[in-house]
Amino acid sequence: DAKTTQPPSMDCAEGRAANLPCNHSTISGNEYVYWYRQIHSQGPQYIIHGLKNNETNEMASLIITEDRKSSTLILPHATLRDTAVYYCIAVNSNSGYALNFGKGTSLLVTP
Amino acid sequence: DTAVSQTPKYLVTQMGNDKSIKCEQNLGHDTMYWYKQDSKKFLKIMFSYNNKELIINETVPNRFSPKSPDKAHLNLHINSLELGDSAVYFCASSLTMAGGEQYFGPGTRLTVT
Repeated sequence: DAKTTQPPSMDCAEGRAANLPCNHSTISGNEYVYWYRQIHSQGPQYIIHGLKNNETNEMASLIITEDRKSSTLILPHATLRDTAVYYCIAVNSNSGYALNFGKGTSLLVTP
Repeated sequence: DTAVSQTPKYLVTQMGNDKSIKCEQNLGHDTMYWYKQDSKKFLKIMFSYNNKELIINETVPNRFSPKSPDKAHLNLHINSLELGDSAVYFCASSLTMAGGEQYFGPGTRLTVT
């Protein structure tokens, strides 16, 4: 699976959009980009995933660049409950199973 | 209804003891996993089972033995516990083996003294 790189930490004001970047310059054609988050002391939570096209669900939007070398997770209106560590993971569609969690981005949403 | 549940939530035990952690999922998923999160917060895969069959064993000491009595349950038994086994253990499940969308349990915090 391709390696992903994320900034170690970010801040965001409550009510504003949180844009979390991820670099995956070695991603291959059959690898999806998955996003998870882990709120303190809880298990990781699936957020969203995509292959080429932008995706949106009730939690977030995922913007993937045309060359697929990077992506951005957007939380449109961040709340204090969105404070968590966010992980960007490249997952092979043929053999997904093990998720390789890196260090992620620690997002702090402030009042 | 809890989708993926683990028991116990906390486990404190002494070195050398044997302990088990249980995991159950009521999602009808085929694949289940055990992950370990150490004190530095790195989350790493330990095992993966698909329909009761071992798929992944990521260089975990053989003191750790997973057991899957049916596809809804994946238990983790640990023999001769060591201080370095102290961590939070997460169980997860996915619909299929190619499941990047995994559902995690609340974790079991194991402390070995």
